[in-house]
Amino acid sequence: AQSVAQPEDQVNVAEGNPLTVKCTYSVSGNPYLFWYVQYPNRGLQFLLKYITGDNLVKGSYGFEAEFNKSQTSFHLKKPSALVSDSALYFCAVRDVYGNKLVFGAGTILRVKS
Amino acid sequence: NAGVTQTPKFQVLKTGQSMTLQCAQDMNHNSMYWYRQDPGMGLRLIYYSASEGTTDKGEVPNGYNVSRLNKREFSLRLESAAPSQTSVYFCATRISGDSNQPQHFGEGTRLSIL
Repeated sequence: AQSVAQPEDQVNVAEGNPLTVKCTYSVSGNPYLFWYVQYPNRGLQFLLKYITGDNLVKGSYGFEAEFNKSQTSFHLKKPSALVSDSALYFCAVRDVYGNKLVFGAGTILRVKS
Repeated sequence: NAGVTQTPKFQVLKTGQSMTLQCAQDMNHNSMYWYRQDPGMGLRLIYYSASEGTTDKGEVPNGYNVSRLNKREFSLRLESAAPSQTSVYFCATRISGDSNQPQHFGEGTRLSIL
């Protein structure tokens, strides 16, 4: 079965520093991976996805993610964090039939000024 | 440009009461989903509807029923609410035909069961 793991419950970073939010996956077949962000009391917003092609995927709000097949990872990155990036981030993988997403537990990102 | 609209936004129920959560979309998407979000557990799929007229169980369907009323609307019903169903419920939609397209989420319904 498809699964994702987000090993960090919370990531703290200073404003202006680079940030990384980690995600590892387990799939049968090709991985189709997604990152979503959730701001307080809001729904999830799509950030980016990896389907095929370049291992570095660019998304919304300056975020990017690096796909690494050998390490089965899909880490979310941003070169310079903003306080407004503080939110809950979810990694997700598409199921084998293509109908559903399987989500990780989420990582809280706190950016301090 | 409403997207995915969930009603109500908040609700408090007593144990044993029934409740229907409504979801409506104006995105002309075929697939619709109901999730629950609990701290430390991410989002777990309750039910989904790949197209109008079809529904399927997700990971945690017990205690819930759904109705795909038409292409726009997908409702989630709690027949006899239990405190374990206290959660934040999200509806999502996705265009069919390309399973690599992202899901689009509503703002959620915060449900407390006493």
